[in-house]
Amino acid sequence: GAGVSQTPSNKVTEKGKYVELRCDPISGHTALYWYRQSLGQGPEFLIYFQGTGAADDSGLPNDRFFAVRPEGSVSTLKIQRTERGDSAVYLCASSRSGANTEAFFGQGTRLTVV
Amino acid sequence: QKEVEQNSGPLSVPEGAIASLNCTYSDRGSQSFFWYRQYSGKSPELIMFIYSNGDKEDGRFTAQLNKASQYVSLLIRDSQPSDSATYLCAVRRSGYSTLTFGKGTMLLVSP
Repeated sequence: GAGVSQTPSNKVTEKGKYVELRCDPISGHTALYWYRQSLGQGPEFLIYFQGTGAADDSGLPNDRFFAVRPEGSVSTLKIQRTERGDSAVYLCASSRSGANTEAFFGQGTRLTVV
Repeated sequence: QKEVEQNSGPLSVPEGAIASLNCTYSDRGSQSFFWYRQYSGKSPELIMFIYSNGDKEDGRFTAQLNKASQYVSLLIRDSQPSDSATYLCAVRRSGYSTLTFGKGTMLLVSP
């Protein structure tokens, strides 16, 4: 597709459940980023992929969070044992490689943990 | 001290006026600077980026960068009600690919 696609757009889950959030980046973009945005805050970095590998996962808050990008295109963010504090909008962005390249965001997945 | 600081606003300007949005950053290793617009309930949309000191103009938008003062701004000329949104400043460190965002400034343009 023309833009970054994220599914689902909304996800409601019960505390303690496992969730997967999917991101399909812009074709040809080798860099893929996951961010999390809480109400009234800017996006907070979680993890960055260059190709298939996680080049920087320093933003993952704890070991309940994990992300993969097995073929260097689609990525899945996985959250185990969800907590109410995980409720936020999870944003995915992609870009070409390079220092001054723009990152384009998907529409986000709104996760609500009840 | 937060790495990227923005006044949360709201900044209120009348239609047709110039809106000035400001951002300061703490890391002198920052190399590239981005302005995103985010409408309520929507994802951030890139407006422009700048990486050299001085001004960069694109239509009604001008980004200004002063690395010595660690300051970047966005000017919106002839503001329109449709410009009402939250404007996010983001910086990228030299040698890194990730962006660090400020909290954003809410802009309200009244007709």
